Amino acid sequence: DAGITQSPRHKVTETGTPVTLRCHQTENHRYMYWYRQDPGHGLRLIHYSYGVKDTDKGEVSDGYSVSRSKTEDFLLTLESATSSQTSVYFCAISDQTNVPGELFFGEGSRLTVL
Amino acid sequence: KQEVTQIPAALSVPEGENLVLNCSFTDSAIYNLQWFRQDPGKGLTSLLLIQSSQREQTSGRLNASLDKSSGRSTLYIAASQPGDSATYLCAGIMDTGRRALTFGSGTRLQVQP
Repeated sequence: DAGITQSPRHKVTETGTPVTLRCHQTENHRYMYWYRQDPGHGLRLIHYSYGVKDTDKGEVSDGYSVSRSKTEDFLLTLESATSSQTSVYFCAISDQTNVPGELFFGEGSRLTVL
Repeated sequence: KQEVTQIPAALSVPEGENLVLNCSFTDSAIYNLQWFRQDPGKGLTSLLLIQSSQREQTSGRLNASLDKSSGRSTLYIAASQPGDSATYLCAGIMDTGRRALTFGSGTRLQVQP
């Protein structure tokens, strides 16, 4: 299994509070991704990173920010959590060199915003 | 906007049956296609990856094919077992800049003992 660790695995918070989810990898892969999974919508891309300090938006990036100061860590921040951000968040990594490659996923972080 | 569709949304079969899960995508310029398995409350496990230059991949009882011209991929499961019960997701990379997967909504498979 790819070495991907997400933390926290479960979190309950209140509307308006900041939340940071962490993805840590031990594979030294260049690409990292944050997805959210919701019933009826499947998995949707929030943000991705193609290197240290290199990030870009996905299809559902509003209300989220990311940072990647080290190869192994990719942080997802909800500056002011809303109930619509209640979801399961998945981190993924990929060693994409010359061609698009295989993505590997973490176990997910379940976030509930009350 | 690229879209990935999976039909059926749910499938129930008796143990031992061979079955096919379908995936279609709107952009024929797909770079690769990946099949995943997801158990309830768990993460995604990669099953098979088909590069755009390939037509199929096999792993044990699983065989996945890719037909770019028709915009279709199929996952064939031979001699199904109750342990195969899970949700199966297909996803494709259609943008070499982003290199991110676009997902279908999945097929929930139940294999009856």
